[in-house]
Amino acid sequence: EAGVAQSPRYKIIEKRQSVAFWCNPISGHATLYWYQQILGQGPKLLIQFQNNGVVDDSQLPKDRFSAERLKGVDSTLKIQPAKLEDSAVYLCASGGQVLTEAFFGQGTRLTVV
Amino acid sequence: DAKTTQPNSMESNEEEPVHLPCNHSTISGTDYIHWYRQLPSQGPEYVIHGLTSNVNNRMASLAIAEDRKSSTLILHRATLRDAAVYYCILRDWETSGSRLTFGEGTQLTVNP
Repeated sequence: EAGVAQSPRYKIIEKRQSVAFWCNPISGHATLYWYQQILGQGPKLLIQFQNNGVVDDSQLPKDRFSAERLKGVDSTLKIQPAKLEDSAVYLCASGGQVLTEAFFGQGTRLTVV
Repeated sequence: DAKTTQPNSMESNEEEPVHLPCNHSTISGTDYIHWYRQLPSQGPEYVIHGLTSNVNNRMASLAIAEDRKSSTLILHRATLRDAAVYYCILRDWETSGSRLTFGEGTQLTVNP
């Protein structure tokens, strides 16, 4: 079974530039999560989708971050404009209803210089 | 979300058992206890979950206190590959699509 695919694996951009990350969840998984993980900290939930609808985006900095999940399958997370403090690993996960497990991708490491 | 408390770090020797504690004194009756771990440079991976009874799977065992205010993840024979950050998370089964909220976790070091 294919896992959660994320791309790119690494990205370096200058501050004030824009960047986009892509996630392809496991086939059939209705729930999709995006997390931000700053070095030395636990993952922080940015947004949670159920199919193509947003369940929770309370911690998404909406002035610069946006996410979409068209057709309830793959998803993109965008940052525009990026700030130095956005340097982190961005993790995508799918599945994970309360009684089942969530599967994580390997993440995209973003460095903003 | 109900909060969990874990030690920042723990150390173990290879091939010895490891007991990773988690306190969750404000747990509600509908909260499941989940454990995930994160190996270096990897995304988190599911380990185990339970509600009231102790649980076993191929990776670990989960011991849940009778009052459910604490739990312990047990690795029966630690290997070097078990060195990771372990997260204890509460998830409310009554909330459809409930959050999967991570804390800071416990950094486990396994000595050869």
